[in-house]
Amino acid sequence: AQSVAQPEDQVNVAEGNPLTVKCTYSVSGNPYLFWYVQYPNRGLQFLLKYITGDNLVKGSYGFEAEFNKSQTSFHLKKPSALVSDSALYFCAVRDDYGQNFVFGPGTRLSVLP
Amino acid sequence: DAGVTQSPTHLIKTRGQHVTLRCSPISGHKSVSWYQQVLGQGPQFIFQYYEKEERGRGNFPDRFSARQFPNYSSELNVNALLLGDSALYLCASSLVTGNSPLHFGNGTRLTVT
Repeated sequence: AQSVAQPEDQVNVAEGNPLTVKCTYSVSGNPYLFWYVQYPNRGLQFLLKYITGDNLVKGSYGFEAEFNKSQTSFHLKKPSALVSDSALYFCAVRDDYGQNFVFGPGTRLSVLP
Repeated sequence: DAGVTQSPTHLIKTRGQHVTLRCSPISGHKSVSWYQQVLGQGPQFIFQYYEKEERGRGNFPDRFSARQFPNYSSELNVNALLLGDSALYLCASSLVTGNSPLHFGNGTRLTVT
């Protein structure tokens, strides 16, 4: 069965500093990995995905994520955080066999001015 | 192009009642999925439909049902509502059932009293 862990409920970072939101996963086949962001009272917005190829994936709004197969991790990163990046971030995984996405519990990112 | 649209945006129902939620996918998307997001948690998979057939079902009771119409829009039905059904119900569409990302609507906030 697929599963996703986001070990931090909350991440606080100062504006202009780099940010990292952590994600680890478990799948039985090849992983397809995704990051989404959710603003209050809104649906989830797609940021980026890893399917195959380069381990560093670039996405929307300056975000990137690093895939590490040996550590089964897919951490979300941004070199310089903005106050407007403050939101709820979800990591998701699906494998070769599954029809559905499995989401992590979410990490609340607060960027302090 | 219009994104995924869901109706209604908010709904208040009483225990034991029935509810129908509606979703229109992005034009050209033939796969529609439904997720339940309880406050403070990640989205939980309920159903996936592709080409009007059920392709996946999550761990939800039979009170939950769905269907997809010839125009690829979808309905989620919940019978005999319980207080625990209170949540944000998210609809997502995608191009194919492979590694395409899900594109979410803003959800229907269901409150059961």
